Amino acid sequence: NAGVTQTPKFQVLKTGQSMTLQCAQDMNHEYMSWYRQDPGMGLRLIHYSVGAGITDQGEVPNGYNVSRSTTEDFPLRLLSAAPSQTSVYFCASSYSGARYGYTFGSGTRLTVV
Amino acid sequence: AQSVTQLGSHVSVSEGALVLLRCNYSSSVPPYLFWYVQYPNQGLQLLLKYTSAATLVKGINGFEAEFKKSETSFHLTKPSAHMSDAAEYFCAVSGNNQGGKLIFGQGTELSVKP
Repeated sequence: NAGVTQTPKFQVLKTGQSMTLQCAQDMNHEYMSWYRQDPGMGLRLIHYSVGAGITDQGEVPNGYNVSRSTTEDFPLRLLSAAPSQTSVYFCASSYSGARYGYTFGSGTRLTVV
Repeated sequence: AQSVTQLGSHVSVSEGALVLLRCNYSSSVPPYLFWYVQYPNQGLQLLLKYTSAATLVKGINGFEAEFKKSETSFHLTKPSAHMSDAAEYFCAVSGNNQGGKLIFGQGTELSVKP
């Protein structure tokens, strides 16, 4: 089925470990973005991309890296996990921006201990 | 810069009563506005969106929202609440040529009492 696929769905990390959250879409969307969801704070934008090879920072980029080597994939890397990064992470994609709406993945629930 | 404020982190209504969830926005460019719903332990589902066409937007599950530029508001309504409407609702704003930048409000949790 067409859509946004996030893996893994759940992950527990120890402080200082690194990992990559995967996001893939098969809708040929140009725009992709990562959000984190924390109670009472809604969703906050971490990084976004308007096409392959182009990325930019959102509201809360510190501690996260991204790259966009293909249109389909937009992985999010945690270089050295911290308890403050415990959150639910959502990836979203859009054909060409706001007018067309955004499709969200089902999320990755990350716990850093 | 863009921002969204949702008034009320929790709203409780009786089944069959009117649902009104408030959203005010700030945007330096003509806004595109969205309402998303999130059921427990699930992702976000688009309810409706405003993209500069009709100011009254109808969405799924009987929800609708009205864009009022003079009030910078985009409140979500449903005439008659159903138990299945219990969820968290997010208002979000973006603008054309804003890339993937969708800015969310803090969310409103809707409870429906029998």
